[in-house]
Amino acid sequence: GENVEQHPSTLSVQEGDSAVIKCTYSDSASNYFPWYKQELGKGPQLIIDIRSNVGEKKDQRIAVTLNKTAKHFSLHITETQPEDSAVYFCAASHGNTPLVFGKGTRLSVIA
Amino acid sequence: ETGVTQTPRHLVMGMTNKKSLKCEQHLGHNAMYWYKQSAKKPLELMFVYNFKEQTENNSVPSRFSPECPNSSHLFLHLHTLQPEDSALYLCASSQDPGSNTGELFFGEGSRLTVL
Repeated sequence: GENVEQHPSTLSVQEGDSAVIKCTYSDSASNYFPWYKQELGKGPQLIIDIRSNVGEKKDQRIAVTLNKTAKHFSLHITETQPEDSAVYFCAASHGNTPLVFGKGTRLSVIA
Repeated sequence: ETGVTQTPRHLVMGMTNKKSLKCEQHLGHNAMYWYKQSAKKPLELMFVYNFKEQTENNSVPSRFSPECPNSSHLFLHLHTLQPEDSALYLCASSQDPGSNTGELFFGEGSRLTVL
């Protein structure tokens, strides 16, 4: 079955700097790669996703890149702000299997 | 109320107790899920219901018993739990049943502590 590895487990950045979180997956059939953000005391919330027919997707300060050959995908947050502090989860699936999540990255943005 | 609502938010129970977690979604979705979130572990899918029918049971011990009376409500009945079952239990819903490539909408979770 699918296995998703996520790195780093914790990340601290200065406000205004960029943050990058990386994930690898094992199942070459996976074609859907979402990223969820979980703030303290809340449930995870989808912030961006990418499908295997594109290599990059952007939404304001957030971007996701996908390398299907290498089976890895990354989340990029530019101009980080204190409200970006949260736990971020990557996940992977294809149509026949439920989402498999990574272990999460705790991002701290220091003002 | 909007979104996905879970009650109670916090629950402490002994190993011999019986309790239930409740989830309600106000989004008109057709699929509902229970996930277990433990520290330093990936989110673990426990159960999936599509159109009120259970379609996934991820080798969950029988001390966890789900119930889905309609497409808006989901329960997780708890009986003779172990301390290692202490975790945050998250309910989620999605629009398209049977699709694993759509957005999940999560509730805020029920924090369970088993003494």
